[in-house]
Amino acid sequence: EAGVAQSPRYKIIEKRQSVAFWCNPISGHATLYWYQQILGQGPKLLIQFQNNGVVDDSQLPKDRFSAERLKGVDSTLKIQPAKLEDSAVYLCASSAPLTGTDYEQYFGPGTRLTVT
Amino acid sequence: QKEVEQNSGPLSVPEGAIASLNCTYSDRGSQSFFWYRQYSGKSPELIMFIYSNGDKEDGRFTAQLNKASQYVSLLIRDSQPSDSATYLCAVTGSTLTFGKGTMLLVSP
Repeated sequence: EAGVAQSPRYKIIEKRQSVAFWCNPISGHATLYWYQQILGQGPKLLIQFQNNGVVDDSQLPKDRFSAERLKGVDSTLKIQPAKLEDSAVYLCASSAPLTGTDYEQYFGPGTRLTVT
Repeated sequence: QKEVEQNSGPLSVPEGAIASLNCTYSDRGSQSFFWYRQYSGKSPELIMFIYSNGDKEDGRFTAQLNKASQYVSLLIRDSQPSDSATYLCAVTGSTLTFGKGTMLLVSP
């Protein structure tokens, strides 16, 4: 079974530039998540999709971050404009809920973003 | 604000010993509990999950849950140097909330 795919793996940009990340979940997984992991911290959920609808985006800085999941499969996360504090690893995960509340998430390799 | 607390460590144990990793959570409505392992520079990898009070064993790993005390732990028996990593506790209510992780160092 292929895992969660993400690209690019690394990205270096200057502040105020824009950047986009791509994620393809495990085949058949309806739920897709984007997390931000700052060095020394646990992953923080940015947005959760169920198929192509947003379930939770309460921690997404909507003035600069946007995400979409067209057709309920792959997803893109965009930052525009980037700030220095956006330097982090951006993780995509997917899950196939066993019930309404139980789920196990599988993570992609992540994209390491450095903003200079 | 839902919180998941872990001691950041590092927790140092000799090879062959039992490593005990602990986690507390604030949301009494939390329903599912997960342990992820994260090697340096890698993404988190699910190693255990537990839904009911008590113990759940999987090979060298045992997860323990006490909902009354809002406490979940992970025991690793016969620790190996390859177990050296950061262990993330994660708890679900409506979404998954992670702790900051505990770094485990297993010395040969």
